Amino acid sequence: GQNIDQPTEMTATEGAIVQINCTYQTSGFNGLFWYQQHAGEAPTFLSYNVLDGLEEKGRFSSFLSRSKGYSYLLLKELQMKDSASYLCAVRDQNAGNMLTFGGGTRLMVKP
Amino acid sequence: GAGVSQSPSNKVTEKGKDVELRCDPISGHTALYWYRQRLGQGLEFLIYFQGNSAPDKSGLPSDRFSAERTGESVSTLTIQRTQQEDSAVYLCASSYRDREDQPQHFGDGTRLSIL
Repeated sequence: GQNIDQPTEMTATEGAIVQINCTYQTSGFNGLFWYQQHAGEAPTFLSYNVLDGLEEKGRFSSFLSRSKGYSYLLLKELQMKDSASYLCAVRDQNAGNMLTFGGGTRLMVKP
Repeated sequence: GAGVSQSPSNKVTEKGKDVELRCDPISGHTALYWYRQRLGQGLEFLIYFQGNSAPDKSGLPSDRFSAERTGESVSTLTIQRTQQEDSAVYLCASSYRDREDQPQHFGDGTRLSIL
């Protein structure tokens, strides 16, 4: 099985930077995904990491350390519309490449 | 191109009734997942279909829940003798051949309310 941990809630200020952490334990790591989910909407894909290091995509970056079972999502120049839940998900090749989600981190951006 | 389509978008039913939820994945996507999401909670895995392999049903919460998929197309999730605890949004997602770098694409979900 897998164990994926994320903080439940975070609060940050508009224009600031926030880092959302995700730790995982899996027997056959085969990639990590970050999703954004606004209230009442479906999750949408943000980023993918399979090798160690940082992947940058505009204001969003995602980092992975496979040896530590750790990832973070970095959001820069926060905007009010970034208020949402951020979901970390891990693919396990020993589970048919199934994708398992963490409980999500609810981010509130304040003016 | 069409995304993942789910129907109905909303369903209100009385406790004890059976409900059937439908998911049309993106054409060509062989992997299909069902999740349940209660209000303010994370995604709870229910069932996973991958091509013609036997589905992974390890997330189904009870024998009142079942799901089928015809080949690599439509899937239906059936809940028998619904209970109030079944009230949630049921999300379907599909991905292409479950390749490592392929993200899941989600439908808008079915919001199920049991009275």
